[in-house]
Amino acid sequence: KAGVTQTPRYLIKTRGQQVTLSCSPISGHRSVSWYQQTPGQGLQFLFEYFSETQRNKGNFPGRFSGRQFSNSRSEMNVSTLELGDSALYLCASSPSGRGGFTDEQFFGPGTRLTVL
Amino acid sequence: LAKTTQPISMDSYEGQEVNITCSHNNIATNDYITWYQQFPSQGPRFIIQGYKTKVTNEVASLFIPADRKSSTLSLPRVSLSDTAVYYCLVGGNQGGKLIFGQGTELSVKP
Repeated sequence: KAGVTQTPRYLIKTRGQQVTLSCSPISGHRSVSWYQQTPGQGLQFLFEYFSETQRNKGNFPGRFSGRQFSNSRSEMNVSTLELGDSALYLCASSPSGRGGFTDEQFFGPGTRLTVL
Repeated sequence: LAKTTQPISMDSYEGQEVNITCSHNNIATNDYITWYQQFPSQGPRFIIQGYKTKVTNEVASLFIPADRKSSTLSLPRVSLSDTAVYYCLVGGNQGGKLIFGQGTELSVKP
């Protein structure tokens, strides 16, 4: 089976722009979660989607949004980019609806976003 | 969610057994203990998960005492390729939401 794929792998934007990142989960996985990783804050949970519905949300401003399509692919959008949004954005998928700690999360390679 | 405490860094040599202990004093009854490994510029990778006593798979063992207030990840005979950050996570069914702590940066030397 192919793993979780994320596109693009690298992205450079300027402040004030908006960006859309894409994630394709492992075939058959219905849960997709997004994480932000920075040297200062570490790995932080953004949100999780299951069956096209947002099931969990982290403590990020409304500039961060996401959606999931019927084929389980997911996108996350960041509007009005700030310098502090520079980070590695990771997507993870899991096979069942249980989610969380009873369900193994499979991570993609991430998208490295640089905001200038 | 239970807060976890683990060493910031550890050093080891090839061929040695490495034990990384995680403290989670406020673990709840329905919480599981999960360990992830992360290499630079890659996403974390699931290593092992347990609820109590001992769990073993092809890459690691997880020891959990009866009070479940701590857990120890044991990596047998480490190699240079085991150099990575190891995260201990504790929680119940959070619907796909994982809370990562600081992690332990393991450095394996030849």
